[in-house]
Amino acid sequence: AQSVTQPDIHITVSEGASLELRCNYSYGATPYLFWYVQSPGQGLQLLLKYFSGDTLVQGIKGFEAEFKRSQSSFNLRKPSVHWSDAAEYFCAVVQGNKLVFGAGTILRVKS
Amino acid sequence: GAGVSQSPSNKVTEKGKDVELRCDPISGHTALYWYRQRLGQGLEFLIYFQGNSAPDKSGLPSDRFSAERTGESVSTLTIQRTQQEDSAVYLCASSSRETQHFGDGTRLSIL
Repeated sequence: AQSVTQPDIHITVSEGASLELRCNYSYGATPYLFWYVQSPGQGLQLLLKYFSGDTLVQGIKGFEAEFKRSQSSFNLRKPSVHWSDAAEYFCAVVQGNKLVFGAGTILRVKS
Repeated sequence: GAGVSQSPSNKVTEKGKDVELRCDPISGHTALYWYRQRLGQGLEFLIYFQGNSAPDKSGLPSDRFSAERTGESVSTLTIQRTQQEDSAVYLCASSSRETQHFGDGTRLSIL
């Protein structure tokens, strides 16, 4: 079965600093990968997705992610974090009829 | 509305009572999913509906959990004889292809 690992439970960055959230997956074939963001009390909003093609994908809110097959990774990046980016971020991979999610990374932004 | 709608947004009930949660998917989306999110954890798949096919119930944690969907419209998730460990946010998602769009969830609290 596929699994998704987000090694960092919490990350704190200063406003304006760069951000990288790590995601590793286990999957034999080319995976369908997603990053979602969840603000408190709300559902999940899709940031970006990778199905095939260019390994660097652009998403909303200035986020991007790079698929690296050799490292089984799909890390999320943003060059300059804004206070409004504080939220929980989930990486997910398609497995059959469902999404398998990582445990999430909580991002705190210091002003 | 344009998004996935879930009701109620919050539900507090006593242990042993039955609860029913509702999900209105995005119009035209053939697939519908239910997930559970316990405090501080990622999302756990519960059940998947696709058109008129038999649902994938492989994620339902016990026979106290059931779900129905009429055609490609509304779905209800029912939890019978609720237990305190059922306290969680229940999220519904719908999709027309690989990308799932989530509602804001129902926060269920069992006293």
